[in-house]
Amino acid sequence: GNSVTQMEGPVTLSEEAFLTINCTYTATGYPSLFWYVQYPGEGLQLLLKATKADDKGSNKGFEATYRKETTSFHLEKGSVQVSDSAVYFCALHLSFNNDMRFGAGTRLTVKP
Amino acid sequence: DTAVSQTPKYLVTQMGNDKSIKCEQNLGHDTMYWYKQDSKKFLKIMFSYNNKELIINETVPNRFSPKSPDKAHLNLHINSLELGDSAVYFCASSQPGRNTEAFFGQGTRLTVV
Repeated sequence: GNSVTQMEGPVTLSEEAFLTINCTYTATGYPSLFWYVQYPGEGLQLLLKATKADDKGSNKGFEATYRKETTSFHLEKGSVQVSDSAVYFCALHLSFNNDMRFGAGTRLTVKP
Repeated sequence: DTAVSQTPKYLVTQMGNDKSIKCEQNLGHDTMYWYKQDSKKFLKIMFSYNNKELIINETVPNRFSPKSPDKAHLNLHINSLELGDSAVYFCASSQPGRNTEAFFGQGTRLTVV
C-alpha cells in the first residue's frame, strides 16, 4: 500500500538551530511529494513540493529534495525561528487515483 | 472567500447520537477528501471522491457515510457516535494531476461525551 513514515517528535530547538525532519515513503507508482505545515487551530497548508526525482522544493527557507533511490524527502532549514513552531506533515500524492497520504506529523517547537 | 469551508467548527454530542459535518469548496476541484486527525496529530485518510464518485474508502466503520451531492460538496454523516470518534475531522480538495496540492478546511472538532 501507499504510506509515509516521518520522524517522530516532538522536536525542540533553539532559535537559529539547524532543522532536519526525516521522511520516507512507500508507493505503488511514481508519487509527487509534499510538506505541509499546520499552525495551532488551523488546517494544513502547503509548505513545498516536488513532482519528480531530484527536484528540490523550497519555501520560506525550508528545502526538501526528492530522492527516488532512497524513497526519501527530508525537510531541512538552516536557521529556524520561533515562528516556525508548528506541526509538519510529509505527504505523497498519486495522480492516477488522487490518493493523498500523510505521515504522522512532527511537532516542532523553537525556543528563543 | 474561504476556499474550503466546513461546518460546524465545533461539535459536542452524546454517545449514540447521529451527526453530520458539511464541507464545500469553491475552487472548482474534482476531488474531495475526508481525513481524521487524532489527539497525537496523526492524519488518516477516510474517504476520497472524484466528481461525486467514491474512489478511496479506507477501513472506516460503516457508521461513517460520506455523501457527495455535487463535486463542490462532500458531507460526512456519522451514526451511533462512540467516544473513540472524538477527533478533528478535516475536509480537503485537490485537482487531479501531478502538480497538485490539497487545500484544507479549518477542521471540525468533534467531542463525544
